[in-house]
Amino acid sequence: DAEITQSPRHKITETGRQVTLACHQTWNHNNMFWYRQDLGHGLRLIHYSYGVQDTNKGEVSDGYSVSRSNTEDLPLTLESAASSQTSVYFCASSARRGSSYNEQFFGPGTRLTVL
Amino acid sequence: AQTVTQSQPEMSVQEAETVTLSCTYDTSESNYYLFWYKQPPSRQMILVIRQEAYKQQNATENRFSVNFQKAAKSFSLKISDSQLGDTAMYFCAFMKFSNDMRFGAGTRLTVKP
Repeated sequence: DAEITQSPRHKITETGRQVTLACHQTWNHNNMFWYRQDLGHGLRLIHYSYGVQDTNKGEVSDGYSVSRSNTEDLPLTLESAASSQTSVYFCASSARRGSSYNEQFFGPGTRLTVL
Repeated sequence: AQTVTQSQPEMSVQEAETVTLSCTYDTSESNYYLFWYKQPPSRQMILVIRQEAYKQQNATENRFSVNFQKAAKSFSLKISDSQLGDTAMYFCAFMKFSNDMRFGAGTRLTVKP
C-alpha cells in the first residue's frame, strides 16, 4: 500500500545545530508540504513543493529550508535550530495542483525538541 | 490572507448524542475547498469530510455532515450518534485552488460514556 513516512519520529537537539527531518511518500504525488503544529495554532504551512526542483515558502518559513530532487522525498532542514522551533512537524502530499480530488495525506509526524 | 477560526477550544458530548463543531473562515476567493480533519491521540491526521465551495449541497459521510453557508463563510461539522472513538482534536481547514491549506486552531472533542 502507498504511504507517507517521516523519520525520525522523535528527536532532541541543541540550539544552533542543523537538523534535517525526512519525508518519503510512495503515492507518486506531485505536491508535498511541511507543517508545524503548535498548541493554539493548529497546523501552519512551512514550505511546499509542486514537483521536482520546485519549492515555495509558506506562512512560517523563516529558519527552514527544503529541496526537492525527486518525486518521493522532501527533506526539511533547520539551518540553526532554535527553541522556538520545538514543535510537532507533519509532512503531507497530494495528487496534483488544482485537482478536485486534492486531499492531502499526512505522515505520522515528528516531535522535535530543541534544548 | 485566509484565516480560519474555530471558536470552541473544547467540547464534550454524551455517547449516542449529536454535537456540532463550528468553523468560520475569511477569504476573498470564490473557488476553494473546505475540510474537517480528525486527530486522535495517535497524532495521525485523518480526513473526515470535504466540501467544494462551488457545490451548494452539503457534504455527508455516514454519521458526519456539514452545514456550509458560503455567504456567511461558515462551515460547521455535525456528528450524529457520537461514539467513544470520535474523541479527538478536530481541525477545520480552508484550501485555495493552489493547494495552500490553512487550518483553524482546533476543537478538542470528548465523547463521554
